[in-house]
Amino acid sequence: GENVGLHLPTLSVQEGDNSIINCAYSNSASDYFIWYKQESGKGPQFIIDIRSNMDKRQGQRVTVLLNKTVKHLSLQIAATQPGDSAVYFCAEGVGYSTLTFGKGTMLLVSP
Amino acid sequence: DAGVIQSPRHEVTEMGQEVTLRCKPISGHNSLFWYRQTMMRGLELLIYFNNNVPIDDSGMPEDRFSAKMPNASFSTLKIQPSEPRDSAVYFCASSPRGQGVNEQYFGPGTRLTVT
Repeated sequence: GENVGLHLPTLSVQEGDNSIINCAYSNSASDYFIWYKQESGKGPQFIIDIRSNMDKRQGQRVTVLLNKTVKHLSLQIAATQPGDSAVYFCAEGVGYSTLTFGKGTMLLVSP
Repeated sequence: DAGVIQSPRHEVTEMGQEVTLRCKPISGHNSLFWYRQTMMRGLELLIYFNNNVPIDDSGMPEDRFSAKMPNASFSTLKIQPSEPRDSAVYFCASSPRGQGVNEQYFGPGTRLTVT
């Protein structure tokens, strides 16, 4: 979803659950997508990226899924831990452009 | 690798004063980006450099903002004169390749408060 003003969409999960964070991107020509994690008081941290010639990419405990038909990107976090609590941003890019960032989703993990 | 280094981490200044933010990108990275983050507007790209040359400064809000990259290991973002609405967290990021869009690595940010 999209945040409006001060309100970020929030996903609350229990420790050990799997988390899915969704992102609708805007440019059908975008060919590069990336997820960042931002903890309070820190800069965004690269998690995983994917190019448009793929529809799935896996990392350590994370999976990114890309559905170009509906312009949708998701980040799946397996066995979510309290340390995963942060704001997660998706970003898109095309060709030689820079990244365009979404507004972010807050993930809250309860022990 | 030390990552992207920014200084100062916090800056409090009075309206009308000049503010200079500094950034050292990751060694070997070709591109450098300056962003501003606020709760209301999220993460906004201000300007980016490729091989020390400014490529796109369309995100710079006003003439009060200027950025330079005199060499591959140093960049500055200057606000003169500063205004309360400039209060935000300013991030510098660098990217390993200059051709095409790729992952960017962010610094810890400078939290600017203009009173």
